[in-house]
Amino acid sequence: KAGVTQTPRYLIKTRGQQVTLSCSPISGHRSVSWYQQTPGQGLQFLFEYFSETQRNKGNFPGRFSGRQFSNSRSEMNVSTLELGDSALYLCASSLGWLSATSTDTQYFGPGTRLTVL
Amino acid sequence: DAKTTQPPSMDCAEGRAANLPCNHSTISGNEYVYWYRQIHSQGPQYIIHGLKNNETNEMASLIITEDRKSSTLILPHATLRDTAVYYCIVRSPQGIIFGKGTRLHILP
Repeated sequence: KAGVTQTPRYLIKTRGQQVTLSCSPISGHRSVSWYQQTPGQGLQFLFEYFSETQRNKGNFPGRFSGRQFSNSRSEMNVSTLELGDSALYLCASSLGWLSATSTDTQYFGPGTRLTVL
Repeated sequence: DAKTTQPPSMDCAEGRAANLPCNHSTISGNEYVYWYRQIHSQGPQYIIHGLKNNETNEMASLIITEDRKSSTLILPHATLRDTAVYYCIVRSPQGIIFGKGTRLHILP
């Protein structure tokens, strides 16, 4: 079974631009979560989508948004890019949505490395 | 804030067992402990998870104390490929909150 795939793998943008990242979950998985990883802040949760609905959201500004399609594929959009948005953006999928007591395991993709100049 | 605390780094000789500790003193009775590892700039890799019983799979063993306030991940025969940052995680309603993890160095 294919793993989580993310496109593109690398991206360079300039300040003020917007970017859209794509994530295809493992076949059959209906939950997709997004994370941002930077050297200073580590891995931070952005949001989770399940059945096309946002279930959880981390503490990020409204410039960060996402959506999920009926085939469970997800996109994440960042508008008005800032230098501090340079990071590795990771997508993870699981069978069900991630309640605190869920036993569904998240599987991560390889990430998209975004550089903002 | 992360609900777990881990030592920032550890060394282990190649071929020996690597024992990575994690403290999760505020864990609730029905919350699972998950372990992931991340090799440089790759996506985190799932290792193992458990509730209260010890667990073993092809990658590692997980020992959870009876009071569930701490756990230990054991890599039975560490190799250079096990060099990574290891994250111990307890889920919250806000999703998975990663702490700083433990950077494991395998020494040849």
